Amino acid sequence: QKEVEQDPGPLSVPEGAIVSLNCTYSNSAFQYFMWYRQYSRKGPELLMYTYSSGNKEDGRFTAQVDKSSKYISLFIRDSQPSDSATYLCAMRKEGGATNKLIFGTGTLLAVQP
Amino acid sequence: DGGITQSPKYLFRKEGQNVTLSCEQNLNHDAMYWYRQDPGQGLRLIYYSQIVNDFQKGDIAEGYSVSREKKESFPLTVTSAQKNPTAFYLCASSFRPGRGVKTQYFGPGTRLLVL
Repeated sequence: QKEVEQDPGPLSVPEGAIVSLNCTYSNSAFQYFMWYRQYSRKGPELLMYTYSSGNKEDGRFTAQVDKSSKYISLFIRDSQPSDSATYLCAMRKEGGATNKLIFGTGTLLAVQP
Repeated sequence: DGGITQSPKYLFRKEGQNVTLSCEQNLNHDAMYWYRQDPGQGLRLIYYSQIVNDFQKGDIAEGYSVSREKKESFPLTVTSAQKNPTAFYLCASSFRPGRGVKTQYFGPGTRLLVL
């Protein structure tokens, strides 16, 4: 079983829809949670960074962490065609000797105009 | 502008040839990483380095080599021993643990194709 599971999609939604992207994980030691956005043939860019449980909002994006369920989500409100990309979740433990991350495989999102 | 640069954007390798991918960062990050990305497989860690002149193997190091002679630079060599090198290669960097934001930032990637 992988440490981080992410539905690969593709997920297709109409413009203006609310999008929910999710990851589940098995290691309760994970404390830092990230979402990256990756456009086709580009490097991933950091979208959201959260520590422990709770919500974090940035414009149309909200990251949510539920540590009791080992489940993280990224919500996109009023989705735009420019949001079409692959979204990768990533996480790491508290402390440790490195900043190595564990990544999900990514969800491909297509927002249709 | 601070960031991570990778070159070239596209690279073609002939059979039996070693090729080197460049990665440079001016973020004053301590650690650097190389990943390979294949469709449907996510990111797989090849090598990482926490400090100059030191590096560790990741999950798929066979057929690859690295060096870290300068803090800013972490080149990756894809050797002829790597039998399936066609992939998208991503370089990333981060601060060391206990310093700064505890995540990684990525370069734009190099696409390697076999002729």
